[in-house]
Amino acid sequence: DQQVKQNSPSLSVQEGRISILNCDYTNSMFDYFLWYKKYPAEGPTFLISISSIKDKNEDGRFTVFLNKSAKHLSLHIVPSQPGDSAVYFCAASYSLYGNKLVFGAGTILRVKS
Amino acid sequence: NAGVMQNPRHLVRRRGQEARLRCSPMKGHSHVYWYRQLPEEGLKFMVYLQKENIIDESGMPKERFSAEFPKEGPSILRIQQVVRGDSAAYFCASSPPSRVYNEQFFGPGTRLTVL
Repeated sequence: DQQVKQNSPSLSVQEGRISILNCDYTNSMFDYFLWYKKYPAEGPTFLISISSIKDKNEDGRFTVFLNKSAKHLSLHIVPSQPGDSAVYFCAASYSLYGNKLVFGAGTILRVKS
Repeated sequence: NAGVMQNPRHLVRRRGQEARLRCSPMKGHSHVYWYRQLPEEGLKFMVYLQKENIIDESGMPKERFSAEFPKEGPSILRIQQVVRGDSAAYFCASSPPSRVYNEQFFGPGTRLTVL
């Protein structure tokens, strides 16, 4: 049972434009959501997070939106840069269960210059 | 402040041998998590440890796998009698203590290949 889904395996965007990566979840107990970026042969790098009491969190070029009623979150990257090309993982956790992360399968983002 | 350290980065074992993967958390972090990534998949939780305690091992296979985080030294993930299906990237993450919501910071991973 896949509790966190990233339905787009890949996304291609022109440099300077907006990248929007989507994530859906099924477990309403999740109360914290994170986005990680991963380059080949490296570990995931934490990007941005949001708790379930908020609907938006912004950090520089990165903004995460949470729609609890739809069980959906998205990551916006504006403007996209070639160095953003990587695999992006959405992850969710619920604090009652010790913060273990449940990951989606990832979306490959390619930013073309 | 050094990040999460894992070694070895690459490990090759023959079927039936033992694999030991090591993880040193970030300074000041007392929570350690292990995840496994199979090809073309996301990361899957295996085990969550604090110093000398296993807090949650719900993702660990019932046999051949064990983990520890001793009072001194790194956390160790041990796989006995490895099989080809154990070939994967194993990532360790750490987080600071005593917060409700914790970002987890990942190491570079150990890529295990079982021949």
